[in-house]
Amino acid sequence: GQQLNQSPQSMFIQEGEDVSMNCTSSSIFNTWLWYKQDPGEGPVLLIALYKAGELTSNGRLTAQFGITRKDSFLNISASIPSDVGIYFCAGQGVKTSYDKVIFGPGTSLSVIP
Amino acid sequence: DTGVSQDPRHKITKRGQNVTFRCDPISEHNRLYWYRQTLGQGPEFLTYFQNEAQLEKSRLLSDRFSAERPKGSFSTLEIQRTEQGDSAMYLCASSFISGNTIYFGEGSWLTVV
Repeated sequence: GQQLNQSPQSMFIQEGEDVSMNCTSSSIFNTWLWYKQDPGEGPVLLIALYKAGELTSNGRLTAQFGITRKDSFLNISASIPSDVGIYFCAGQGVKTSYDKVIFGPGTSLSVIP
Repeated sequence: DTGVSQDPRHKITKRGQNVTFRCDPISEHNRLYWYRQTLGQGPEFLTYFQNEAQLEKSRLLSDRFSAERPKGSFSTLEIQRTEQGDSAMYLCASSFISGNTIYFGEGSWLTVV
């Protein structure tokens, strides 16, 4: 079945540093979504990408839909302590019967003040 | 608050008991999804409704699990004869029919002891 891989698995960075994480798949996707999840809470949507090559920003966050449609990256600039959490990529594939969205295993981000 | 709401947020139950979770989606959304998430993993798709019709069920959804959305609004997820392996966070999400972007509730934590 379709699977998403995320890297790195975890990151420890200094406050103020920029962060980059990515998501890859062996299958092509129609939509890429990036979510952030705080402990004990549901995932919160950060950015949605709908076209290959699309580059979208949301404040300090920037995400891109890869040209091959098999990958996406998320960048966070000038990290702050509240950026701590788990970041999930999610994709909706072209061959799914319905509009099932599948998730990667997540990248855990820790920000050291 | 017009987001996805879930109830209860936490449930502790003895093995063998039945539990039921409720989800109220964003009111304009036609599609409703249930996901399950265990520690250190991304959300895993369980099932999905379009209005009142249940259109897809994952193989993760054993016979002990049943989901309903009788009037196309709120949904319930029932787990019968709970097992310790059912301990997880159960996430509900909703979206428009035309949209690929799903919005999550805060989740319902289940602990089976």
